[in-house]
Formats: sequence, structure tokens, C-alpha cells
Amino acid sequence: RKEVEQDPGPFNVPEGATVAFNCTYSNSASQSFFWYRQDCRKEPKLLMSVYSSGNEDGRFTAQLNRASQYISLLIRDSKLSDSATYLCVVNPSYPGAGGTSYGKLTFGQGTILTVHP
Amino acid sequence: DAMVIQNPRYQVTQFGKPVTLSCSQTLNHNVMYWYQQKSSQAPKLLFHYYDKDFNNEADTPDNFQSRRPNTSFCFLDIRSPGLGDAAMYLCATSRGGQGQETQYFGPGTRLLVL
Repeated sequence: RKEVEQDPGPFNVPEGATVAFNCTYSNSASQSFFWYRQDCRKEPKLLMSVYSSGNEDGRFTAQLNRASQYISLLIRDSKLSDSATYLCVVNPSYPGAGGTSYGKLTFGQGTILTVHP
Repeated sequence: DAMVIQNPRYQVTQFGKPVTLSCSQTLNHNVMYWYQQKSSQAPKLLFHYYDKDFNNEADTPDNFQSRRPNTSFCFLDIRSPGLGDAAMYLCATSRGGQGQETQYFGPGTRLLVL
């Protein structure tokens, strides 16, 4: 089983549609969760962190279910500019030098979204 | 304002000819990472530094080496590039520490091996 699994899509939706992406992770000790966005031939960019209580940023809503080890991203009122690959990212956190902790990100393979006129 | 800078953005090398990719950061972050990303795949972590402490991933080939001479700079050396090493190489940084795991990526270096 992959550490982080996503439906690769592609999702093709019209402008204004609502679209949801799901992601599951295998490491129950994982501490931090993120959604990154990656445009074609560009670097991943942080879209939003995901908190246990769920969080919203404009048209984007992220949810975390620790019991089911499941993360979701909801995009409302899709725009053409939302077309990209959405990466589900999990950080299990490892002890670092001096007792501090830092994380190695584990990426899902990404979900491709295409928003069309 | 560029925070994680990678040079060059595009690199062409010949099969077997050593190549060095460069990453610098203005964030004063403790942790620096190197990833390899091939087309339609997720980024794959090669190694990372926490300050000067080097951490190699178990499946990273010996052909890949790294140096971090100071906080700001980190280099990826590919000693004998093969055709299979053609990829985007991404550098990322994070502050390190509890709750400071967010990683910031540079624009990447796209490597072509002829």
C-alpha cells in the first residue's frame, strides 16, 4: 500500500463547478497534512495546511479525518486558473538534531484538475 | 522576492559527465531538501540536511551526492548522469521544529541528459 494515495483523475469540470479530491494515508503517526498545487513544469506551491477541525480559505475547504486517515479538498466555484495538479502531502515528523522535530514530506501522486469554459 | 533560488533553471549534460545543481535560500531555514521529480510522478526525496546533519534516503543511488557548505547554500552533485536521471530537481527548505514543517520549494532545475 502506498503511503499516500490519491485518485489521479483527471478531473475535467466546467467553470463554476464544485469538485472534491480525496486522499488516504497509511502512517497513523502522521502529524501534519497539506495540499500543494503544482502547475505544469513548475514547482509545488503550498495551497493550504489541513487541520483537524477543518479549515477554509476562500473557495477552498480542507478536511482531515484522523480516525479514517483521510484528507479531502473541496473547491467551490471552479475557475480556469484552478487547473493544476493537486498534491496531497503528509508529514510524519521525525526527531531532528537537538531534540527538535522536522518533517519529511510524503507526496501523493497528485490529482489532475482541468477546468474548462 | 525569491526565497529559494535554484540555478541553473535548465541544464543539459552528456551521459556520464558530472553535473552540479545549486540551491540557495534567503529564509535562514534549518532544513534543506533535494527532490527528483519525473514526468507525471510525485516528487521523490533524495536527501536532506538538518543544519549540517546529512540524511540520505535508503534508495537514493550513490551517483547522487550533496554538499551544504553553509546555511544558505546546498548543492546536488550527479557524478555520472545516466539517461534515467533526466528529471526536474527540486530544492526545498523548512524551518524545522515543532509546527514548522511547511516546505518551500525553489523553481527547480530541469536536467536533460544526452
